[in-house]
Amino acid sequence: AQKVTQAQTEISVVEKEDVTLDCVYETRDTTYYLFWYKQPPSGELVFLIRRNSFDEQNEISGRYSWNFQKSTSSFNFTITASQVVDSAVYFCALSGGFKTIFGAGTRLFVKA
Amino acid sequence: SAVISQKPSRDICQRGTSLTIQCQVDSQVTMMFWYRQQPGQSLTLIATANQGSEATYESGFVIDKFPISRPNLTFSTLTVSNMSPEDSSIYLCSVIPTLDYGYTFGSGTRLTVV
Repeated sequence: AQKVTQAQTEISVVEKEDVTLDCVYETRDTTYYLFWYKQPPSGELVFLIRRNSFDEQNEISGRYSWNFQKSTSSFNFTITASQVVDSAVYFCALSGGFKTIFGAGTRLFVKA
Repeated sequence: SAVISQKPSRDICQRGTSLTIQCQVDSQVTMMFWYRQQPGQSLTLIATANQGSEATYESGFVIDKFPISRPNLTFSTLTVSNMSPEDSSIYLCSVIPTLDYGYTFGSGTRLTVV
């Protein structure tokens, strides 16, 4: 069975701090995709990144970076120099086919 | 990536009534997905809607409660029937990812049942 665990329910940081959101997954599939989504208070889901199981390269996009490690089944997300606008719920998701399993989400508060 | 228009964006409904949510995609897609997000919770898949066939429902969701239509490759509706306060949630439609992109979601329908 597939499973996504986001152990951090809530994280609170002060603006300009770096913060890492953890994601651990379980799957028996050899081919799968991992995603991160942001859900701001407005409620819509904003796609951040997709990574397939054969691509373990870390990725950096502006202040965002992702660390994918198959050996530990983790796909962690780091925000560098956090800003108030980063306050949102962040979901990690796993797809082994046409179904996607979402983690419980991590609520990030960035205080000015 | 596909662009999804979902409406209504929010509604307040009386218990016992039904609400139909519409999802329009700007391109043809084979599979569309309907999710529910209860307050403070993660997303749960309700069903997968394929054009020309019956929707496939996940465990805990039944067609009588959440009938789905998929008349063509760009449109789908989800009806929440005989609503109770427990149905108060955000309902989202989604389409399968395209190359190098994730699943695209509609902006969601925030439903409150009173």
